[in-house]
Amino acid sequence: EAGVTQSPTHLIKTRGQQATLRCSPISGHTSVYWYQQALGLGLQFLLWYDEGEERNRGNFPPRFSGRQFPNYSSELNVNALELEDSALYLCASSRFGGTDTGELFFGEGSRLTVL
Amino acid sequence: GDSVTQMEGPVTLSEEAFLTINCTYTATGYPSLFWYVQYPGEGLQLLLKATKADDKGSNKGFEATYRKETTSFHLEKGSVQVSDSAVYFCALRMGGADGLTFGKGTHLIIQP
Repeated sequence: EAGVTQSPTHLIKTRGQQATLRCSPISGHTSVYWYQQALGLGLQFLLWYDEGEERNRGNFPPRFSGRQFPNYSSELNVNALELEDSALYLCASSRFGGTDTGELFFGEGSRLTVL
Repeated sequence: GDSVTQMEGPVTLSEEAFLTINCTYTATGYPSLFWYVQYPGEGLQLLLKATKADDKGSNKGFEATYRKETTSFHLEKGSVQVSDSAVYFCALRMGGADGLTFGKGTHLIIQP
């Protein structure tokens, strides 16, 4: 069974540009979570998608957005990039969202560098 | 809100030493508890988990016991190896809208 896959592995952008990151969850998983791991800041919750809808977002500005497609894959868009957006972006999936208390399964991450 | 507190390190040990990484949590109910490990340049892998009080999770020689009375989930290993060098994250999940709530991570360095 394939795990969570993310693309691209690395992405280099300049300030003001837009970045798009993609995630495919494990087959059968309907919930996708996005986390930002910036240097020295730990793992910060960004967004949660379930059944095609945005269910929750963390304390990030609106220029962080995304969507979930009918096949449950997801993309994260970051507009008007700033230097501090440089981070590892991790996608995770779980079989259910909401009341599920099981583990999240993580991809290898997409490393975004903003110059 | 829910939170996880863990020692941040770096923690430096010699090979074959005993390891303890402390983790305590605050939650309004009874969460599931997890330890994830992140090797250099990689994503997070689930190391072990426990879903109710007094459960013991174990994997690859690591153990942690869900202690409701002390709201703790300390990670232990009897004899560490150089290959255990990584960042370890304690986390909880209440089944709410945030997925996992993570501690800040503990950087473990094992010297030969």
